[in-house]
Amino acid sequence: DADVTQTPRNRITKTGKRIMLECSQTKGHDRMYWYRQDPGLGLRLIYYSFDVKDINKGEISDGYSVSRQAQAKFSLSLESAIPNQTALYFCATSDGGGYEQYFGPGTRLTVT
Amino acid sequence: DQQVKQNSPSLSVQEGRISILNCDYTNSMFDYFLWYKKYPAEGPTFLISISSIKDKNEDGRFTVFLNKSAKHLSLHIVPSQPGDSAVYFCAASPYMEYGNKLVFGAGTILRVKS
Repeated sequence: DADVTQTPRNRITKTGKRIMLECSQTKGHDRMYWYRQDPGLGLRLIYYSFDVKDINKGEISDGYSVSRQAQAKFSLSLESAIPNQTALYFCATSDGGGYEQYFGPGTRLTVT
Repeated sequence: DQQVKQNSPSLSVQEGRISILNCDYTNSMFDYFLWYKKYPAEGPTFLISISSIKDKNEDGRFTVFLNKSAKHLSLHIVPSQPGDSAVYFCAASPYMEYGNKLVFGAGTILRVKS
């Protein structure tokens, strides 16, 4: 089984809808991250969490919110989706001792 | 303003030859660098890293070189294999910054032709 899982893997939604992307991990890591990938821009950090009680904004947090329900679960919400939030979204985890991050398989989100 | 730049969107190499992927950075506080590899429909996977106290790190067919004065790093793959065809991301992090945040480049698509 994968160490970092994301649901759903693909989602098409309409402008103005609320949508939640979920991430779960079995690696036992404290730190979790949400990124989005756009062509030509690489991966950009949306939010990150170092433990259940710690949530921090990343580079592009506007229009997004997150919830850290448990050490293993970190959800990303789009309160009112807009077309320019169409992207590939990745969840990642890391432990406190190194720089390496472990990524989930991604969620492809399309907002029409 | 991109702090990590991969100026070549794509690279095509013949099987068996060397692939060289380049990355430049602007933030002098970056002190640890990583390369990730990404196949379609999968998440990025860690490939190799280097800290600023070194100028070279090698792992099998993969070698990363760091030139701090030029703020430049490169990934060499020798010999290149068709299975190396993927998107390669360069990433950087300030040393000892709380949280291990990474800043990624835009990626380079590598195609290895057989």
